[in-house]
Amino acid sequence: ETGVTQTPRHLVMGMTNKKSLKCEQHLGHNAMYWYKQSAKKPLELMFVYNFKEQTENNSVPSRFSPECPNSSHLFLHLHTLQPEDSALYLCASTTGTSGPDTQYFGPGTRLTVL
Amino acid sequence: GQNIDQPTEMTATEGAIVQINCTYQTSGFNGLFWYQQHAGEAPTFLSYNVLDGLEEKGRFSSFLSRSKGYSYLLLKELQMKDSASYLCAVRDSNYQLIWGAGTKLIIKP
Repeated sequence: ETGVTQTPRHLVMGMTNKKSLKCEQHLGHNAMYWYKQSAKKPLELMFVYNFKEQTENNSVPSRFSPECPNSSHLFLHLHTLQPEDSALYLCASTTGTSGPDTQYFGPGTRLTVL
Repeated sequence: GQNIDQPTEMTATEGAIVQINCTYQTSGFNGLFWYQQHAGEAPTFLSYNVLDGLEEKGRFSSFLSRSKGYSYLLLKELQMKDSASYLCAVRDSNYQLIWGAGTKLIIKP
């Protein structure tokens, strides 16, 4: 039990579909993150939210649209995706304070774009 | 550019010891992390080093040398459940985490 949940766990979508990924953390953390994990590649940071404010957008294509309505919930809205967007999408949270500020990850959503 | 290097894959025998190395070149240094990730699961935190030396936690130890830009994760008394990917990550001067691609560890009976 990591305290960070993600739904759905698996998603198959066509390039013209619109879907959303959901992340919820039950740890009382203040910062939330979206990562993309492709096979044999380093984790790619996509977006960071601190106290519901977006503080990082690592040149992510506009077909990915994040939303953070409160400190416990994070969404990733997907539209007009490409096959190369197929990957594992991980959500993480941290306290957002100094020190180790360890990242707690959710189990991820395995996304396949046809 | 910033870079983290670790071996792609390693194989070890149950009951043995294995050392997974990580070298890094980053803009500044504010700590190094090791995470374990079983296939299809979330990465989970293993260790954090910010000062030089060895941190021991049960069967797992992590070592850091900041002057050499080098760390290793040492796993003792290997068990089959230790089969997983091990991710090295460094926090740079901007407090951003730079991740390695991970080392897939295969444990054989």
